[in-house]
Amino acid sequence: KAGVTQTPRYLIKTRGQQVTLSCSPISGHRSVSWYQQTPGQGLQFLFEYFSETQRNKGNFPGRFSGRQFSNSRSEMNVSTLELGDSALYLCASSLGTSPLYEQYFGPGTRLTVT
Amino acid sequence: AQSVAQPEDQVNVAEGNPLTVKCTYSVSGNPYLFWYVQYPNRGLQFLLKYITGDNLVKGSYGFEAEFNKSQTSFHLKKPSALVSDSALYFCAVRYSGGYQKVTFGTGTKLQVIP
Repeated sequence: KAGVTQTPRYLIKTRGQQVTLSCSPISGHRSVSWYQQTPGQGLQFLFEYFSETQRNKGNFPGRFSGRQFSNSRSEMNVSTLELGDSALYLCASSLGTSPLYEQYFGPGTRLTVT
Repeated sequence: AQSVAQPEDQVNVAEGNPLTVKCTYSVSGNPYLFWYVQYPNRGLQFLLKYITGDNLVKGSYGFEAEFNKSQTSFHLKKPSALVSDSALYFCAVRYSGGYQKVTFGTGTKLQVIP
């Protein structure tokens, strides 16, 4: 079974631009979560989607948004990029939102903002 | 609020020796506890989880973890460390009831010395 895929793997943007990252979950997984990973802050939860609805949201500004499509694929968007948005963005999928389910992570998208 | 703590930023152990990576969690409801491992430039990989039942949980690559309710701990262990175990290890918690997000610890870098 194919794992979680994320595109693109690497991205370089300038301040003020916007970016869209994509995540395809494992087949049959309906929950997708997004995380931001930085050396200083560790893994920070962004949001979780299930059945095209946002079920949970972390403490990030409104510049960070996401959505999920009917095939469970998900995108996240960051508008008006800031230098501090440089990070590894990880997507994780699971069968559902139950705490019984472990998450399966993609390789991440490395975003660099200059 | 749910939280996990990994008190050690780094753990060094000689190859062949037993290893322990520590994790404690906040007491709030019924915790579901997870361990993940991250190799350089990769996403996180699921190792094991505690849901209920036996306090000793066995996972991938020879790892195991012991759930201790009285000490609110969930330490990761392995009887004999391999150099290939060198990686970043994350403990995570999710609570039952509603749509609870997953909270990750700050990570512990494990260095296995040949």
